[in-house]
Amino acid sequence: EADIYQTPRYLVIGTGKKITLECSQTMGHDKMYWYQQDPGMELHLIHYSYGVNSTEKGDLSSESTVSRIRTEHFPLTLESARPSHTSQYLCASTNIGQPNEKLFFGSGTQLSVL
Amino acid sequence: QQQVKQSPQSLIVQKGGISIINCAYENTAFDYFPWYQQFPGKGPALLIAIRPDVSEKKEGRFTISFNKSAKQFSLHIMDSQPGDSATYFCAASMKAGTYKYIFGTGTRLKVLA
Repeated sequence: EADIYQTPRYLVIGTGKKITLECSQTMGHDKMYWYQQDPGMELHLIHYSYGVNSTEKGDLSSESTVSRIRTEHFPLTLESARPSHTSQYLCASTNIGQPNEKLFFGSGTQLSVL
Repeated sequence: QQQVKQSPQSLIVQKGGISIINCAYENTAFDYFPWYQQFPGKGPALLIAIRPDVSEKKEGRFTISFNKSAKQFSLHIMDSQPGDSATYFCAASMKAGTYKYIFGTGTRLKVLA
């Protein structure tokens, strides 16, 4: 059912490397989100977008950046990865005003920074 | 004001029992309260949701009870099954403004066979 895809599924990388986590959805959704999920399960909103060329920072401060050049694509970039960035990153999307609001989540990217 | 407080953090229930997870919120502007279910290695998926104009919503074995005056809502899983073992998140959002979804801290449910 879910047409939202995240790649890579797992990423192990060294400190200082630049990384981009990909998120794409084929549902034409306006709103997209990035959540960081810590080992304690809690979901923290780090970025969101209302549509093309619209991005906002979420409630949890993050050193990552995002872009929304196309409706279907919402990549997250870390310019210089650090061990503190190790976490699960979840991308989600939804449409404004749908009768039964539903966030569609990707399966996540598990990032480990050594 | 933006927090959603969820309890318990973990829950163990016998097969056939009732699982109850509670959430509380402060911001009265919230107007949509979904519950999400997450299995290991997967993203959360919408389970059931309620709006504040009703006090209860039932879908199969899953029921949301909503108490607007107390600013609390809960998920009841009747006849709990081992396949229900997952992490459950309550959430809240509002149509006006940012459309942000605020999630609770999650409850790890284990249903014993």
